[in-house]
Amino acid sequence: AQKVTQAQTEISVVEKEDVTLDCVYETRDTTYYLFWYKQPPSGELVFLIRRNSFDEQNEISGRYSWNFQKSTSSFNFTITASQVVDSAVYFCALSELPGANSKLTFGKGITLSVRP
Amino acid sequence: EAGVTQFPSHSVIEKGQTVTLRCDPISGHDNLYWYRRVMGKEIKFLLHFVKESKQDESGMPNNRFLAERTGGTYSTLKVQPAELEDSGVYFCASSRDRGGEAFFGQGTRLTVV
Repeated sequence: AQKVTQAQTEISVVEKEDVTLDCVYETRDTTYYLFWYKQPPSGELVFLIRRNSFDEQNEISGRYSWNFQKSTSSFNFTITASQVVDSAVYFCALSELPGANSKLTFGKGITLSVRP
Repeated sequence: EAGVTQFPSHSVIEKGQTVTLRCDPISGHDNLYWYRRVMGKEIKFLLHFVKESKQDESGMPNNRFLAERTGGTYSTLKVQPAELEDSGVYFCASSRDRGGEAFFGQGTRLTVV
């Protein structure tokens, strides 16, 4: 069975601090996708990134970066120089690659508060 | 391009009543998913449509829940009769390809009292 663990439940930082959101996953599949979603106060889930299990390269997109390490089954997300607009709930998720079941298995989410 | 739209945004009903949630996916997206988040817990998969066919309904909690997607366009999720434990936020998502980027709606917050 697949499982995603986001051990941090709430994080509070001051604007301009860097913050890392942890995600650890479990799967028996050798091929899979990992995702991060952001849920702002408006409620919708906003797609941030998808990474397949073949690609362990880290990714950077502006102030966001992701560190995928298969050896530790982790897919951590770092926000550099955080801003108030980054305040949201962040979800890590896992799915099998297409051809099988593509449903997402989510973690419980991390509530990030960025204070001015 | 319009995003995934869910109606209503909030619903408060009494135990034993019926509620129908609606999801309009992005046009052209064959894959439609329903998920639910009960307070403080994970977002959990309910079911997956490919066009009008149910591809996977393994997450449906019980037979009080009925999902339909007639014509392969919008989908409805009916809860009848509603119980207190059905309270939560129901999300709908759609994607063009299986395993592709899934676009989520803003969710329907259901409260059963």
